Amino acid sequence: GAGVSQSPSNKVTEKGKDVELRCDPISGHTALYWYRQSLGQGLEFLIYFQGNSAPDKSGLPSDRFSAERTGGSVSTLTIQRTQQEDSAVYLCASSLRGASYNEQFFGPGTRLTVL
Amino acid sequence: QQPVQSPQAVILREGEDAVINCSSSKALYSVHWYRQKHGEAPVFLMILLKGGEQKGHEKISASFNEKKQQSSLYLTASQLSYSGTYFCGTEELGGTSYGKLTFGQGTILTVHP
Repeated sequence: GAGVSQSPSNKVTEKGKDVELRCDPISGHTALYWYRQSLGQGLEFLIYFQGNSAPDKSGLPSDRFSAERTGGSVSTLTIQRTQQEDSAVYLCASSLRGASYNEQFFGPGTRLTVL
Repeated sequence: QQPVQSPQAVILREGEDAVINCSSSKALYSVHWYRQKHGEAPVFLMILLKGGEQKGHEKISASFNEKKQQSSLYLTASQLSYSGTYFCGTEELGGTSYGKLTFGQGTILTVHP
């Protein structure tokens, strides 16, 4: 079946603009994660959706970042008033229920460049 | 809190073995291992659960010391395809989010012919 897809694959924006990044998880996966990976760095947790529970937003670096998940499926990560330090690859992952027993399947990522 | 991986980088020749370690200051429920090749998304390797259960690829082996909050990934008879960055992700016991992983900074493994 289809894997996790993300769009756009690349996004170049100017400082101060808002951007929206989209993630389509694997069908039937109730858990969805957003991570940020700066050049040569590890995976920085941003936000986690699990079923109908309130999302864990503890990793969002500032109030410029927000995410929603509609209908338990597609998720959108929004960055308002982008800054140059927001430049990174944003990865989305999904898993069947929570990750304790189930591997995360990662999408190809969106490379964001803020000029 | 982010787990600490060691070493940060390792260089091998084909056929050699390597061990990558992951250590946390928190009590853990599970440890996950992923490999990421340059320009690609991370790919699942192994899950180790408190209590001894494991799930993963046949050719990958790992251990989880629950008392020490440490996990090790064992790569034996390395192949060129093993090259990449290895990440451990830890799930805290009694954490605020069931299923949430915190990833280490990664270990870069390079295998030469």
